[in-house]
Amino acid sequence: EMQLVESGGGLVQPGGSLRLSCAASGFTFSNSWMCWVRQAPGKGLEWVASITPDGSEKYYVDSVKGRFTISRDNAKTSLYLQMSSLRAEDTAVYYCADADMVWGQGTLVTVSS
Amino acid sequence: QAGLTQPPSVSKDLRQTATLTCTGNSNNVGNQGATWLQQRQGHPPKLLSHRSNNRPSGISDTFSASTSGNTASLTITGVQPEDEADYYCSAWDTSLSAWVFGGGTKLTVL
Repeated sequence: EMQLVESGGGLVQPGGSLRLSCAASGFTFSNSWMCWVRQAPGKGLEWVASITPDGSEKYYVDSVKGRFTISRDNAKTSLYLQMSSLRAEDTAVYYCADADMVWGQGTLVTVSS
Repeated sequence: QAGLTQPPSVSKDLRQTATLTCTGNSNNVGNQGATWLQQRQGHPPKLLSHRSNNRPSGISDTFSASTSGNTASLTITGVQPEDEADYYCSAWDTSLSAWVFGGGTKLTVL
């Protein structure tokens, strides 16, 4: 069974940092384009970042460029999102996904003082 | 980044057929196809259809997806109360190098 499990969410103060992790299983992770998608409370889905299978190319939504970094470790079948300079508007559930194949359950990030 | 266009809401009587639409352009839906997701209240998104319009394993055949030009469609045959949910489409946009999403359609079963 294909599965993605996110971890690392929590409460952080504005300006703080957080690192999200996503553990993959049940499919060939090293062949997958992976991404992070977020959903603010009561809102729709918003793509955050994507990374190519070998990690050589990364893409970001404008609102997180320079603040968030997506990365992966194919040996550990894991995806990461390093978030810094966090703002209140980054508060959301963050989903890890191969958007054409499998989605995780999400991890909640709350940015508040 | 520009998104895909979905009607905000659709209502159907029990056991009717619902068709949800998603309009993009030649850089996303028209080029790459669209995926469809179902999200019930309080739950994570669930993939209903790949960009190829094929269903993942375990998805009921009451859900079928198609694409015509720059518009993707999801047809739900014989809607049931458990089909009440938000439905999102998404596609990779080759000009933006980004996944774009529709705003979602809330399906109400009457």
